[in-house]
Amino acid sequence: DAGVIQSPRHEVTEMGQEVTLRCKPISGHNSLFWYRQTMMRGLELLIYFNNNVPIDDSGMPEDRFSAKMPNASFSTLKIQPSEPRDSAVYFCASSAGTSGVDTQYFGPGTRLTVL
Amino acid sequence: AQSVTQLDSHVSVSEGTPVLLRCNYSSSYSPSLFWYVQHPNKGLQLLLKYTSAATLVKGINGFEAEFKKSETSFHLTKPSAHMSDAAEYFCVASPKEYSTLTFGKGTMLLVSP
Repeated sequence: DAGVIQSPRHEVTEMGQEVTLRCKPISGHNSLFWYRQTMMRGLELLIYFNNNVPIDDSGMPEDRFSAKMPNASFSTLKIQPSEPRDSAVYFCASSAGTSGVDTQYFGPGTRLTVL
Repeated sequence: AQSVTQLDSHVSVSEGTPVLLRCNYSSSYSPSLFWYVQHPNKGLQLLLKYTSAATLVKGINGFEAEFKKSETSFHLTKPSAHMSDAAEYFCVASPKEYSTLTFGKGTMLLVSP
């Protein structure tokens, strides 16, 4: 299994531009999670989906952030417009279930730099 | 509500000596507990997890952790450190009923020759 795949691995953009991060979960997993990692705040859950439906988006910082999961094998996290404070590493993770005993498998992350 | 406290931001050991990374959790229920490792510029990899079975959990690469309910602790140990163990380690808690992970701030493990 290829594991969770994220693209791009690195993204550098200018303030005000739209940024789209992509994630392909592990085949057969029905839950997908987006996290953000910063030095100041550590790892934070942004949103998670179960069976392609958003279940909890309370961690999404503001309306500039949106996430979609059009099918079981693809999800996007979009930031529009981007701001320097959005600079962080964004991780996608997937799991086979929605209970707290199910292991989440993380992708390699996308390092976003907003200038 | 739950919280996870990793008591040390950095731990330094010599190769071949024991490793102890400390973690305490606060929860109104008995959570699932995990340890993840993150090598530089890499994603998080699961080391081990506790759900509700044996309180001593063995993981990959010789790591193990013991769940102590009375102390609300889940410390990670390894008998003998290897240079390749140098990384950041995260203690994580989740309610058993649904998958909402709460991460500790992380402990950076430094291993010297």
